[in-house]
Amino acid sequence: IVMTQSPATLSVSPGERAILSCRASRSVSRRLVWYQQKPGQAPRLLIYDASTRATGVPARFSGSGSETAFSLTISSLQSEDFAVYYCQQENNWPPTFGQGTKVEI
Amino acid sequence: EVQLLESGGGLVQPGGSLRLSCAASGFTFSNYAMSWVRQAPGKGLEWVAGISGGSDSTYYSDTVKGRFTISRDNFKNIVFLQMNSLRAEDTAVYYCAKDPLRTVVTYFESWGQGTLVTVSS
Repeated sequence: IVMTQSPATLSVSPGERAILSCRASRSVSRRLVWYQQKPGQAPRLLIYDASTRATGVPARFSGSGSETAFSLTISSLQSEDFAVYYCQQENNWPPTFGQGTKVEI
Repeated sequence: EVQLLESGGGLVQPGGSLRLSCAASGFTFSNYAMSWVRQAPGKGLEWVAGISGGSDSTYYSDTVKGRFTISRDNFKNIVFLQMNSLRAEDTAVYYCAKDPLRTVVTYFESWGQGTLVTVSS
């Protein structure tokens, strides 16, 4: 399954809302995961099952969607949220990632 | 606290071999599947290989099947990636990652800091 993220880069001011999109080439049900990666660091799990926040993830991060269309919303961007975000499907073998969306100031 | 510590990366010539290790702590290692996920310089994430908690099942991406072998030692809490016939396109940071389930690879709830593998003459 091919995962396509848009936009490639999102320019946002601190305090604003950011909405990131992820589309699957065919249905993945709700088996969609979001990760955050900061420069020089490993990815960090944010959201699984399309909308369940991982332990310790702030409530300003929310996920939605099903089948082929998903989104990650950051309600009010903080300085520590500027990073690259990846989606990944785990409904069909093999697990596949999107190409990432960079959220920049 | 879950900790994953990779080692074994380095510079290797095309056609060469390298063995990566990932030492795990902070959880019952044999209860979870483990994977290796790589990231080429400036690129996105690519799942490479996975192994079930009991080592009864192993999984590989098409790009590495037949060249890479994943294994684990549940007594020493280590997962390995044996990489043979290395190519320039295998150059990447290799991350060790923990799955939330025991039997099959799904997603990755914990990650190590990665080890860099460079394939070049």
